[in-house]
Amino acid sequence: DIVMTQSPLSLSVTPGEPASISCRSSQSLLESNGHNDVDWYLQKPGQSPQLLIYLASNRASGVPDRFSGSGSGTDFTLKISRVEAEDVGVYYCMQALQIPHTFGQGTKLEIK
Amino acid sequence: EVQLVESGGGLVQPGGSLRLSCAASGFTFSSYWMHWVRQAPGKGLVWVSRISPDATSTPYADSVKGRFTISRDNAQNILYLHLNSLRPEDTAVYYCVRDGIHLREYWGQGTLVTVSS
Repeated sequence: DIVMTQSPLSLSVTPGEPASISCRSSQSLLESNGHNDVDWYLQKPGQSPQLLIYLASNRASGVPDRFSGSGSGTDFTLKISRVEAEDVGVYYCMQALQIPHTFGQGTKLEIK
Repeated sequence: EVQLVESGGGLVQPGGSLRLSCAASGFTFSSYWMHWVRQAPGKGLVWVSRISPDATSTPYADSVKGRFTISRDNAQNILYLHLNSLRPEDTAVYYCVRDGIHLREYWGQGTLVTVSS
């Protein structure tokens, strides 16, 4: 199985400051068509996960442009340019290249 | 509006069975791959299974293989997960997820399964 390793596992950020979460996969997620089938999700307290980024760098519908995804192969990053209070929750990366699809452990973002 | 509504969760004894349902609306259900993902209390997300639009492809996580069965009724727009030989470690919220070719944008609200004596 592909192992997805996130870091850090927790993050405390002042509103208006940037934040970055890393996700590393145990094998390359780069497909022959140039796509990396990696999602980023945010699970707010008490809610279902919501898709933020798909194919490593594409923002899902309605996601604020302060969220961005980057990376290819085995290294991926989710960046929040200016954290807002509503961004609190747990962030997960997930690979959908292979079965079983696998998630990172989650990164808990708190507001200072 | 796309909606996914899970139901069927509850308290079941170890070794018991349960059938989860996910009622889909607001889109052409028969055209989409669908997934089940679970989350144990206070833990992370774990992929369980996936089903193709025509139900010919149904892979499973090793932890549930041989015990869980995913199926769908495209006429009724319902996704199912049949849970057999349940174990305490199967206790989790189970989410259904629509897969729009790399776009897993819609998740249900989840249904809680508790396996305990």
